[in-house]
Amino acid sequence: DTEVTQTPKHLVMGMTNKKSLKCEQHMGHRAMYWYKQKAKKPPELMFVYSYEKLSINESVPSRFSPECPNSSLLNLHLHALQPEDSALYLCASSQEGLGQADTQYFGPGTRLTVL
Amino acid sequence: RKEVEQDPGPFNVPEGATVAFNCTYSNSASQSFFWYRQDCRKEPKLLMSVYSSGNEDGRFTAQLNRASQYISLLIRDSKLSDSATYLCVVTSSAADSWGKLQFGAGTQVVVTP
Repeated sequence: DTEVTQTPKHLVMGMTNKKSLKCEQHMGHRAMYWYKQKAKKPPELMFVYSYEKLSINESVPSRFSPECPNSSLLNLHLHALQPEDSALYLCASSQEGLGQADTQYFGPGTRLTVL
Repeated sequence: RKEVEQDPGPFNVPEGATVAFNCTYSNSASQSFFWYRQDCRKEPKLLMSVYSSGNEDGRFTAQLNRASQYISLLIRDSKLSDSATYLCVVTSSAADSWGKLQFGAGTQVVVTP
């Protein structure tokens, strides 16, 4: 089973709202990732957690705040977003920790619209 | 120059025909290679890893040419359900890349009845 789940599937929020995206995997994977994908573009890496520690932040604005409560869960807290942040937010996981050229498995994504 | 480049297409393919397309990569330290497919408004899904000796999975064949730094994907006997965007993905174990995925922009394939 290579399932990564994400909630919610869709989210509409105003620029003053605070919301959170959730991601879960029960495959025992040690690395988890957040990506942002705009229409007709490839996914762009935002954050990487390896062994529950933040290993990579790709210069993401502070209005995006990741959290890894345990090895199976990954959250992305959103606050004061801009309309240009509207996108598909994808979570992924891979078996090995960061630094290994390993297969990543993606969740279905959360389609975010910021009004 | 982009690290991973693909022909965006679209490749319009009659049902039952064969289609092939390539992806070039610029980092000679690249170690792992994958093809993902992505349907409209869905997540990328792993189609196949690409091995040095080339590999086949049913109607799909992937090849790696390290000397010329490209990988290819061939789809035989195309089905309507093969219509998707095919993402070329490359990783490097170099310290500054940390195994991060480098995505191509994708090649769109449209299979027509």
